Amino acid sequence: KQEVTQIPAALSVPEGENLVLNCSFTDSAIYNLQWFRQDPGKGLTSLLLIQSSQREQTSGRLNASLDKSSGRSTLYIAASQPGDSATYLCAVAPNDMRFGAGTRLTVKP
Amino acid sequence: KAGVTQTPRYLIKTRGQQVTLSCSPISGHRSVSWYQQTPGQGLQFLFEYFSETQRNKGNFPGRFSGRQFSNSRSEMNVSTLELGDSALYLCASSLAAASRGSNYGYTFGSGTRLTVV
Repeated sequence: KQEVTQIPAALSVPEGENLVLNCSFTDSAIYNLQWFRQDPGKGLTSLLLIQSSQREQTSGRLNASLDKSSGRSTLYIAASQPGDSATYLCAVAPNDMRFGAGTRLTVKP
Repeated sequence: KAGVTQTPRYLIKTRGQQVTLSCSPISGHRSVSWYQQTPGQGLQFLFEYFSETQRNKGNFPGRFSGRQFSNSRSEMNVSTLELGDSALYLCASSLAAASRGSNYGYTFGSGTRLTVV
């Protein structure tokens, strides 16, 4: 059974700092890994999708990497801003998208 | 293009009642998945529909059911509501079914906040 773990559970940083969020999964037989952002009480916004044949994806200040063999993904956020404050979730497929518990990020002005 | 639309946004129901939630996927998406999100349990998978057929089901009691129509719109029904059913219910659409090995990502709706009193 696929287990997804995200570390740390919460993170508070000053504005402008570069940061890394971690996601690990127990079964390397995945089809894709997706990073989402969730603001309080809202739905999930997709940030990056990495298919199993890919090693990384980039969008603006965000970069996500995938290492299937070690069961790890990292989300790198450059030059963090207060607007980046949210909960970040990673999810892996197949069968169904299995989610981690998330990392709650607070970026202080 | 329009995103995933969930209605209603908020619901308050009494214990023992039943409720139906609706999800309209992105045009062209044929897969719809439902999730329950609570502070204690996080995001838990309920079921996935593709081409009007349930393809996969999570570990929820039979009080939770769903269906998908020919236009890919999906409904989720919860009967005999319990206090513990209070949660944010999220639906996600995708081009193909994750249960069939799809590597397409998910797009989520804004959710329906259900409160059972």
